[in-house]
Amino acid sequence: NAGVMQNPRHLVRRRGQEARLRCSPMKGHSHVYWYRQLPEEGLKFMVYLQKENIIDESGMPKERFSAEFPKEGPSILRIQQVVRGDSAAYFCASSPGLVSAEAFFGQGTRLTVV
Amino acid sequence: QQQVKQSPQSLIVQKGGISIINCAYENTAFDYFPWYQQFPGKGPALLIAIRPDVSEKKEGRFTISFNKSAKQFSLHIMDSQPGDSATYFCAAMNNAGGTSYGKLTFGQGTILTVHP
Repeated sequence: NAGVMQNPRHLVRRRGQEARLRCSPMKGHSHVYWYRQLPEEGLKFMVYLQKENIIDESGMPKERFSAEFPKEGPSILRIQQVVRGDSAAYFCASSPGLVSAEAFFGQGTRLTVV
Repeated sequence: QQQVKQSPQSLIVQKGGISIINCAYENTAFDYFPWYQQFPGKGPALLIAIRPDVSEKKEGRFTISFNKSAKQFSLHIMDSQPGDSATYFCAAMNNAGGTSYGKLTFGQGTILTVHP
C-alpha cells in the first residue's frame, strides 16, 4: 500500500507565477489535510478537505491560495501569483476519516520562489 | 487558545542518555496528543500518541507523560541513540468530530542531536 504521494518534491517558481502542488492520499483515505512548514518552524494547518468538499479552510490565506479534492484524481493546492514569502515546505496528510484514525504525511513539496 | 508551546528548541544528548521534550497547551477541547518525528527532507511520521484518560504511555524506548490538570505533556526517549537525531514535534487535536476533526496543532519543534 503506497503512502501519501506528493509531487513535485521540489518546485521553483518566479515571483508572479502559479504553483500547483499535488497530493494523492493513501488508498482508502477520503480525508486530506494540507500543512505549511516555514523554515525553523512547526507545521501550520491550512485546509481540510473531503472528496469534493472543503471542510475547514481556516488556515488558508485569504488571497491567492485555493485547494480542491475532486471526485477523481489528487488533491491540488494552488498558489497564484507567488511571492517570496510563499517559499516553504507544503505537506499533505490523509486519513480514512474514522474517529481516532492516524493521519499519514507525505514527504512534502518544497517550494522556492525566486 | 489554539497554541501548543514546545521546549526546548534544541537538545543535545549523549548516546545512552535520556532525552526529554516538553509541551503545554491551552485549549481544553484537545483530546488527542501525538508526537511526530521528522528527518531532514522527509515528512513527519507518527511516533507515539496519548489520550487524556491515561497519564502515561510507553512504546519501546519512547514514553509520553501526560498531566491533564497542568495541561502539559512530555516525550521521554530512553537510551537515546544517534539514529534518534531528528526534529520532534508535539501536536494536539480535537478528535471529537466536526470541522476540527483531524486538524493538528503543532508545537514549534525540537531538534534533537544524539552524540555517539
